[in-house]
Amino acid sequence: EDKVVQSPLSLVVHEGDTVTLNCSYEVTNFRSLLWYKQEKKAPTFLFMLTSSGIEKKSGRLSSILDKKELFSILNITATQTGDSAVYLCAVKGNYGQNFVFGPGTRLSVLP
Amino acid sequence: DGGITQSPKYLFRKEGQNVTLSCEQNLNHDAMYWYRQDPGQGLRLIYYSQIVNDFQKGDIAEGYSVSREKKESFPLTVTSAQKNPTAFYLCASSIVGPNEQFFGPGTRLTVL
Repeated sequence: EDKVVQSPLSLVVHEGDTVTLNCSYEVTNFRSLLWYKQEKKAPTFLFMLTSSGIEKKSGRLSSILDKKELFSILNITATQTGDSAVYLCAVKGNYGQNFVFGPGTRLSVLP
Repeated sequence: DGGITQSPKYLFRKEGQNVTLSCEQNLNHDAMYWYRQDPGQGLRLIYYSQIVNDFQKGDIAEGYSVSREKKESFPLTVTSAQKNPTAFYLCASSIVGPNEQFFGPGTRLTVL
Protein backbone atom coordinates (compact mmCIF):
# COMPACT_ATOMS: atom_id res chain seq x y z
CA GLU A 1 0.00 0.00 0.00
CA ASP A 2 1.32 3.43 -0.97
CA LYS A 3 2.16 5.64 2.00
CA VAL A 4 3.27 9.23 2.62
CA VAL A 5 4.62 10.48 5.95
CA GLN A 6 5.30 14.12 6.75
CA SER A 7 7.28 15.61 9.59
CA PRO A 8 7.01 17.51 11.72
CA LEU A 9 3.23 17.59 11.94
CA SER A 10 3.34 21.04 13.48
CA LEU A 11 5.97 23.76 13.61
CA VAL A 12 6.08 27.26 15.14
CA VAL A 13 8.79 29.70 14.09
CA HIS A 14 9.40 33.45 14.09
CA GLU A 15 9.54 35.69 11.06
CA GLY A 16 12.92 35.50 9.36
CA ASP A 17 13.61 31.91 10.37
CA THR A 18 14.37 29.19 7.82
CA VAL A 19 12.28 26.01 7.95
CA THR A 20 12.63 22.56 6.44
CA LEU A 21 9.60 20.35 5.99
CA ASN A 22 10.02 16.64 5.33
CA CYS A 23 8.07 14.16 3.23
CA SER A 24 9.00 10.48 3.02
CA TYR A 25 7.14 7.97 0.92
CA GLU A 26 6.67 4.36 -0.04
CA VAL A 27 5.15 3.91 -3.47
CA THR A 28 5.38 1.37 -6.24
CA ASN A 29 7.19 2.74 -9.29
CA PHE A 30 7.38 6.39 -8.31
CA ARG A 31 6.20 8.87 -10.94
CA SER A 32 5.86 12.26 -9.29
CA LEU A 33 5.69 14.15 -5.98
CA LEU A 34 3.70 17.32 -5.43
CA TRP A 35 3.86 20.00 -2.74
CA TYR A 36 0.82 22.11 -1.94
CA LYS A 37 0.15 25.02 0.41
CA GLN A 38 -3.24 25.07 2.09
CA GLU A 39 -4.36 28.15 3.97
CA LYS A 40 -8.02 28.22 4.82
CA LYS A 41 -9.53 26.49 1.84
CA ALA A 42 -8.23 25.06 -1.42
CA PRO A 43 -4.66 23.73 -1.58
CA THR A 44 -2.57 25.73 -4.02
CA PHE A 45 0.11 24.04 -6.06
CA LEU A 46 3.76 24.78 -5.26
CA PHE A 47 6.05 22.26 -6.97
CA MET A 48 6.06 19.02 -8.88
CA LEU A 49 9.16 16.82 -8.71
CA THR A 50 9.80 13.88 -11.00
CA SER A 51 12.69 11.71 -12.06
CA SER A 52 13.62 14.36 -14.59
CA GLY A 53 13.19 17.29 -12.23
CA ILE A 54 14.52 16.66 -8.75
CA GLU A 55 15.09 20.25 -7.66
CA LYS A 56 12.76 23.22 -7.93
CA LYS A 57 12.98 26.80 -6.65
CA SER A 58 10.58 29.70 -6.59
CA GLY A 59 11.52 32.77 -4.62
CA ARG A 60 12.05 31.85 -0.99
CA LEU A 61 10.74 28.32 -1.49
CA SER A 62 12.75 25.41 -2.79
CA SER A 63 12.32 21.66 -2.88
CA ILE A 64 14.47 18.66 -3.63
CA LEU A 65 13.68 15.03 -4.26
CA ASP A 66 15.91 12.14 -3.23
CA LYS A 67 14.61 9.12 -5.17
CA LYS A 68 17.20 6.82 -3.67
CA GLU A 69 16.26 7.58 -0.06
CA LEU A 70 12.58 8.11 -0.92
CA PHE A 71 12.06 11.57 0.51
CA SER A 72 11.60 15.18 -0.39
CA ILE A 73 12.16 18.38 1.56
CA LEU A 74 10.54 21.76 1.21
CA ASN A 75 12.66 24.69 2.37
CA ILE A 76 11.32 28.14 3.16
CA THR A 77 13.88 30.85 3.86
CA ALA A 78 13.23 34.21 5.56
CA THR A 79 9.76 33.10 6.61
CA GLN A 80 6.91 35.61 6.72
CA THR A 81 3.57 35.48 8.53
CA GLY A 82 1.95 34.85 5.15
CA ASP A 83 3.75 31.52 5.00
CA SER A 84 1.55 30.24 7.82
CA ALA A 85 -0.40 27.32 6.36
CA VAL A 86 -0.61 23.56 6.13
CA TYR A 87 1.88 22.15 3.65
CA LEU A 88 0.77 18.96 1.94
CA CYS A 89 2.91 16.41 0.14
CA ALA A 90 1.38 13.96 -2.37
CA VAL A 91 2.98 11.11 -4.30
CA LYS A 92 1.92 9.11 -7.33
CA GLY A 93 3.20 5.75 -8.44
CA ASN A 94 2.40 3.57 -11.39
CA TYR A 95 0.18 1.35 -9.32
CA GLY A 96 -3.19 3.01 -8.88
CA GLN A 97 -4.49 6.04 -10.65
CA ASN A 98 -4.12 8.69 -8.06
CA PHE A 99 -2.00 10.69 -5.68
CA VAL A 100 -1.64 9.65 -2.05
CA PHE A 101 -1.53 12.61 0.32
CA GLY A 102 0.38 12.90 3.56
CA PRO A 103 -1.20 14.39 6.72
CA GLY A 104 0.43 17.77 6.19
CA THR A 105 2.71 19.97 8.26
CA ARG A 106 1.03 22.92 9.98
CA LEU A 107 3.46 25.86 9.93
CA SER A 108 2.81 28.89 12.10
CA VAL A 109 5.04 31.93 11.60
CA LEU A 110 4.89 34.43 14.45
CA PRO A 111 5.70 38.12 13.95
CA ASP B 1 -11.48 33.10 -15.61
CA GLY B 2 -10.65 29.38 -15.64
CA GLY B 3 -11.11 27.44 -12.46
CA ILE B 4 -13.10 25.10 -10.27
CA THR B 5 -16.16 26.13 -8.35
CA GLN B 6 -17.83 24.30 -5.52
CA SER B 7 -21.14 25.07 -3.92
CA PRO B 8 -22.34 25.66 -1.39
CA LYS B 9 -19.47 26.89 0.77
CA TYR B 10 -21.17 25.73 3.98
CA LEU B 11 -23.92 23.13 4.29
CA PHE B 12 -25.89 21.97 7.30
CA ARG B 13 -28.06 18.88 7.20
CA LYS B 14 -29.93 16.70 9.60
CA GLU B 15 -28.81 13.15 10.19
CA GLY B 16 -30.40 10.70 7.76
CA GLN B 17 -30.74 13.15 4.87
CA ASN B 18 -28.92 12.78 1.57
CA VAL B 19 -27.08 15.87 0.37
CA THR B 20 -25.43 16.71 -2.97
CA LEU B 21 -22.30 18.85 -3.31
CA SER B 22 -21.66 20.60 -6.59
CA CYS B 23 -18.35 20.77 -8.46
CA GLU B 24 -17.87 22.49 -11.82
CA GLN B 25 -14.69 23.18 -13.80
CA ASN B 26 -14.01 25.12 -17.00
CA LEU B 27 -10.37 24.06 -17.36
CA ASN B 28 -11.22 21.42 -19.97
CA HIS B 29 -9.73 18.75 -17.71
CA ASP B 30 -10.71 15.14 -18.27
CA ALA B 31 -10.01 13.96 -14.72
CA MET B 32 -11.97 15.04 -11.66
CA TYR B 33 -11.67 13.98 -8.03
CA TRP B 34 -13.46 14.23 -4.71
CA TYR B 35 -11.51 14.29 -1.46
CA ARG B 36 -12.50 14.41 2.16
CA GLN B 37 -10.36 16.24 4.73
CA ASP B 38 -10.76 15.80 8.48
CA PRO B 39 -8.92 17.89 11.10
CA GLY B 40 -5.25 16.97 11.35
CA GLN B 41 -5.46 14.56 8.43
CA GLY B 42 -4.44 14.66 4.82
CA LEU B 43 -6.80 14.38 1.90
CA ARG B 44 -8.50 11.03 1.40
CA LEU B 45 -9.86 10.11 -2.01
CA ILE B 46 -13.57 9.35 -2.24
CA TYR B 47 -14.20 8.98 -5.99
CA TYR B 48 -12.49 9.94 -9.21
CA SER B 49 -13.38 10.09 -12.87
CA GLN B 50 -11.08 10.18 -15.87
CA ILE B 51 -13.73 10.41 -18.56
CA VAL B 52 -17.40 11.26 -18.95
CA ASN B 53 -19.81 8.50 -17.87
CA ASP B 54 -17.10 6.62 -16.01
CA PHE B 55 -15.89 6.86 -12.43
CA GLN B 56 -14.00 4.76 -9.92
CA LYS B 57 -14.11 4.32 -6.15
CA GLY B 58 -11.30 5.78 -4.11
CA ASP B 59 -10.17 4.75 -0.66
CA ILE B 60 -13.30 5.78 1.26
CA ALA B 61 -16.23 5.48 -1.18
CA GLU B 62 -18.70 3.84 1.20
CA GLY B 63 -21.72 6.05 1.82
CA TYR B 64 -21.00 8.31 -1.17
CA SER B 65 -22.12 8.34 -4.80
CA VAL B 66 -21.14 10.40 -7.86
CA SER B 67 -22.12 10.95 -11.48
CA ARG B 68 -20.20 12.29 -14.47
CA GLU B 69 -22.72 13.13 -17.17
CA LYS B 70 -20.76 16.16 -18.42
CA LYS B 71 -17.04 16.82 -18.62
CA GLU B 72 -17.42 20.00 -16.59
CA SER B 73 -19.44 18.59 -13.72
CA PHE B 74 -18.81 15.96 -11.03
CA PRO B 75 -21.42 16.17 -8.24
CA LEU B 76 -20.99 14.18 -5.03
CA THR B 77 -23.93 12.83 -3.02
CA VAL B 78 -23.38 12.10 0.65
CA THR B 79 -25.95 9.49 1.55
CA SER B 80 -27.46 8.56 4.89
CA ALA B 81 -25.27 5.44 4.81
CA GLN B 82 -22.15 7.54 5.45
CA LYS B 83 -21.53 7.07 9.18
CA ASN B 84 -19.59 10.25 9.86
CA PRO B 85 -20.27 12.76 7.09
CA THR B 86 -19.22 15.97 8.87
CA ALA B 87 -16.02 17.06 7.10
CA PHE B 88 -14.46 19.43 4.59
CA TYR B 89 -14.95 18.24 1.01
CA LEU B 90 -12.60 19.24 -1.79
CA CYS B 91 -13.09 18.74 -5.51
CA ALA B 92 -10.12 18.77 -7.90
CA SER B 93 -9.43 18.36 -11.59
CA SER B 94 -6.38 17.63 -13.69
CA ILE B 95 -5.08 16.49 -17.02
CA VAL B 96 -5.02 12.70 -16.93
CA GLY B 97 -1.66 11.42 -15.67
CA PRO B 98 0.80 12.30 -12.87
CA ASN B 99 0.08 16.00 -13.17
CA GLU B 100 -0.81 18.62 -10.61
CA GLN B 101 -4.41 18.77 -9.49
CA PHE B 102 -6.27 22.06 -9.25
CA PHE B 103 -8.60 22.38 -6.29
CA GLY B 104 -11.90 24.11 -5.73
CA PRO B 105 -12.55 26.20 -2.59
CA GLY B 106 -14.24 23.33 -0.75
CA THR B 107 -17.57 22.69 0.96
CA ARG B 108 -17.77 22.33 4.71
CA LEU B 109 -20.57 19.90 5.54
CA THR B 110 -21.96 19.68 9.05
CA VAL B 111 -24.50 17.03 9.91
CA LEU B 112 -26.52 17.84 13.00
